[in-house]
Amino acid sequence: AQSVTQLGSHVSVSEGALVLLRCNYSSSVPPYLFWYVQYPNQGLQLLLKYTSAATLVKGINGFEAEFKKSETSFHLTKPSAHMSDAAEYFCAVSEPTNAGKSTFGDGTTLTVKP
Amino acid sequence: DAGVTQSPTHLIKTRGQQVTLRCSPKSGHDTVSWYQQALGQGPQFIFQYYEEEERQRGNFPDRFSGHQFPNYSSELNVNALLLGDSALYLCASNGWGGPSYNEQFFGPGTRLTVL
Repeated sequence: AQSVTQLGSHVSVSEGALVLLRCNYSSSVPPYLFWYVQYPNQGLQLLLKYTSAATLVKGINGFEAEFKKSETSFHLTKPSAHMSDAAEYFCAVSEPTNAGKSTFGDGTTLTVKP
Repeated sequence: DAGVTQSPTHLIKTRGQQVTLRCSPKSGHDTVSWYQQALGQGPQFIFQYYEEEERQRGNFPDRFSGHQFPNYSSELNVNALLLGDSALYLCASNGWGGPSYNEQFFGPGTRLTVL
């Protein structure tokens, strides 16, 4: 069984500040890990993915995440927040053989203050 | 490339009715997964179709059923609707075992409201 815990349902940062969204996972097999962003009334857009290659993964819009097996974590960061980053962010885990069956966290709402 | 498309965008039904949602996968993808996203929650996996068969299923009752057609498009059917079925239903596609197997693409979703 797999599970994801996103620490902090709401995160608020000032424009230009560091963004840090936390994700811890549980998996009985080596996981694939994903971060998605969702804007209001829209579907999910993939930000980045970890598929057992480099542990530091770079994604779109300046986001990156680091896979830390010892900590079972996959935290999402961005050095400088922009107003357009305000959205809902979801961390997800899947088995390597089936990315189409993912388990999602409950999401973190990111607010960016001017 | 149109990406993953879903129809309808919004739907309003009453308790006890039946509903059918439709999904067309991204070009080149042959696997379709369905998710339910209740308000304020993350998506929950309903089931996955490949080669016109249900391959994986999440923890959803038999009222939820699906179908995949030879052109890889898919339908999600929900019978005997309950108020708790109100949610955003997301369709996602990927390639089974191909170069796109490790990433799924999501459609915009269908917002179902049950009154």
